[in-house]
Amino acid sequence: GAGVSQSPSNKVTEKGKDVELRCDPISGHTALYWYRQSLGQGLEFLIYFQGNSAPDKSGLPSDRFSAERTGGSVSTLTIQRTQQEDSAVYLCASSDRTGNGYEQYFGPGTRLTVT
Amino acid sequence: AQKITQTQPGMFVQEKEAVTLDCTYDTSDPSYGLFWYKQPSSGEMIFLIYQGSYDQQNATEGRYSLNFQKARKSANLVISASQLGDSAMYFCAIKSTGAQKLVFGQGTRLTINP
Repeated sequence: GAGVSQSPSNKVTEKGKDVELRCDPISGHTALYWYRQSLGQGLEFLIYFQGNSAPDKSGLPSDRFSAERTGGSVSTLTIQRTQQEDSAVYLCASSDRTGNGYEQYFGPGTRLTVT
Repeated sequence: AQKITQTQPGMFVQEKEAVTLDCTYDTSDPSYGLFWYKQPSSGEMIFLIYQGSYDQQNATEGRYSLNFQKARKSANLVISASQLGDSAMYFCAIKSTGAQKLVFGQGTRLTINP
């Protein structure tokens, strides 16, 4: 079956502009996660959605970051007034929470470059 | 707080040899899971293997096995009969049971030489 998809694959934006990153999870997966991978910080958790529950936003680095998940499926991560330190690969993952480990399946990521 | 330590930033191994990638962890949670992911140059994170903290036996998945030593808080990944396609970054991660986020180590870059 289809895996997690993300778009765009690459995004170059000017400092101060807003960007939207999209994630389509694996069909039927109720849990969706956003992570950020950067050279200096490694892989960091950003936000988690599970069904209709309130999201866990504990990893969002500032109030410029927000995310929503519509209809329990597609998610959009929005970064407002982008800064150069926002440059990173943004990875989305989904999970069906039925496996013992609830392993998370990752998408190919969106590489964001802020100039 | 949880922490993963991967002490090998890079490893070079001859094709067909076995390789062990080190991972130690720190957690105060009594129940947790340990994961290994592979990230080839294409960038996608590929799930390899999982070990639960209460699992009695070490996990195995094909050529991958996890050497879980709970008392030492280590969860090393063993790849048998390495192949050129195994060249990639490898990340160890931990998740508390009931929690949602994975906490990753810094990764080990594995290079398989022909």
